[in-house]
Amino acid sequence: GAVVSQHPSRVICKSGTSVKIECRSLDFQATTMFWYRQFPKQSLMLMATSNEGSKATYEQGVEKDKFLINHASLTLSTLTVTSAHPEDSSFYICSARLGGVSTDTQYFGPGTRLTVL
Amino acid sequence: AQRVTQPEKLLSVFKGAPVELKCNYSYSGSPELFWYVQYSRQRLQLLLRHISRESIKGFTADLNKGETSFHLKKPFAQEEDSAMYYCALGQGGGNKLTFGTGTQLKVEL
Repeated sequence: GAVVSQHPSRVICKSGTSVKIECRSLDFQATTMFWYRQFPKQSLMLMATSNEGSKATYEQGVEKDKFLINHASLTLSTLTVTSAHPEDSSFYICSARLGGVSTDTQYFGPGTRLTVL
Repeated sequence: AQRVTQPEKLLSVFKGAPVELKCNYSYSGSPELFWYVQYSRQRLQLLLRHISRESIKGFTADLNKGETSFHLKKPFAQEEDSAMYYCALGQGGGNKLTFGTGTQLKVEL
């Protein structure tokens, strides 16, 4: 149980285009999902916290107009990288929290490798 | 500001030897500490959390507030323990995770 999927696993796009990444909780409902970014050989950096039915909370330094997050249902959150540029190339990972208690465990997706040419 | 430090990027030990992966944190509030593990070609998964006080796969970690540390230990390393280990600090009741840079553990035969 507690499986989180991401789609696509890998995407290559041209500079200036937008890319949508989906994060799904397959066998549980997630009121809260998180989006992380990981550069090569670096740690995961939290980008934003996504709550179902409300606006996402972005971390300092993350452009909310560039990284659009939508959490329309209890099992799906999407991250759209708008007008992508080569510096947006990274590994994007989502996680979903099982249950509504803040101390509940986060379960991670397998990640999406974005390459912007 | 919150910070998690894992001083070792790579730790290489022989099978059967003790393992200690170091983690220090900086946080003004009441911390909640986690260890996550990522095996080759797999996703990040929770290994253990300090509030559970449990041993998972032979690993234990004790929160030392005086030394602001949460080192991960295992008395006898196994080959299957080879993986990337991340220490993480939870804030707001564990709602927001701050990760360390990770330590690659390599267990050699």
